[in-house]
Amino acid sequence: SAVISQKPSRDICQRGTSLTIQCQVDSQVTMMFWYRQQPGQSLTLIATANQGSEATYESGFVIDKFPISRPNLTFSTLTVSNMSPEDSSIYLCSVEGQGVGNTIYFGEGSWLTVV
Amino acid sequence: AQSVAQPEDQVNVAEGNPLTVKCTYSVSGNPYLFWYVQYPNRGLQFLLKYITGDNLVKGSYGFEAEFNKSQTSFHLKKPSALVSDSALYFCAVRERLDMRFGAGTRLTVKP
Repeated sequence: SAVISQKPSRDICQRGTSLTIQCQVDSQVTMMFWYRQQPGQSLTLIATANQGSEATYESGFVIDKFPISRPNLTFSTLTVSNMSPEDSSIYLCSVEGQGVGNTIYFGEGSWLTVV
Repeated sequence: AQSVAQPEDQVNVAEGNPLTVKCTYSVSGNPYLFWYVQYPNRGLQFLLKYITGDNLVKGSYGFEAEFNKSQTSFHLKKPSALVSDSALYFCAVRERLDMRFGAGTRLTVKP
């Protein structure tokens, strides 16, 4: 399995500001995914990020609010823009492993609280 | 589109007793099924998956899951629960690129 590092691990943010979360993987991966886990909730896919192309966003998520970069095969960033308290969540970076029925592996998450 | 349901929000068991965390799924084709665990203040950790073959899948930390096609279920089991197994458990189903997670089941193992 891949080792996935996220920064920051935790942050308290002011309303109206933006925060960029970094995700670093210890091996080259084709597909990276960004999920959101709101308090007490399950995971919701925000977008899929492939290197060299625009991220693909799920219904309810837009690029202006959650811009994503994928400059190479080991790194991605997710920005949460113009934050409100409703954006308080865990944001999880994940990657697809190799093989049949590719397992999705997750980082430790970035725990954001917007005040 | 595929979906997965975890009918129990909470499961409580005594240490040393067997545990079961339930999961049912709905897919149009052959399912890829997964279990993940989330310990407090941690990300998700992969436990096990079913792709094909033997219906009983063994995973990390002594967990196993049984795939039942006729009942469209993939219940997570462990013969003897530990207090350290207390966590949030997620079932997930993947069809092609799309992975869907259940709502999660909070397992509490009491000494």
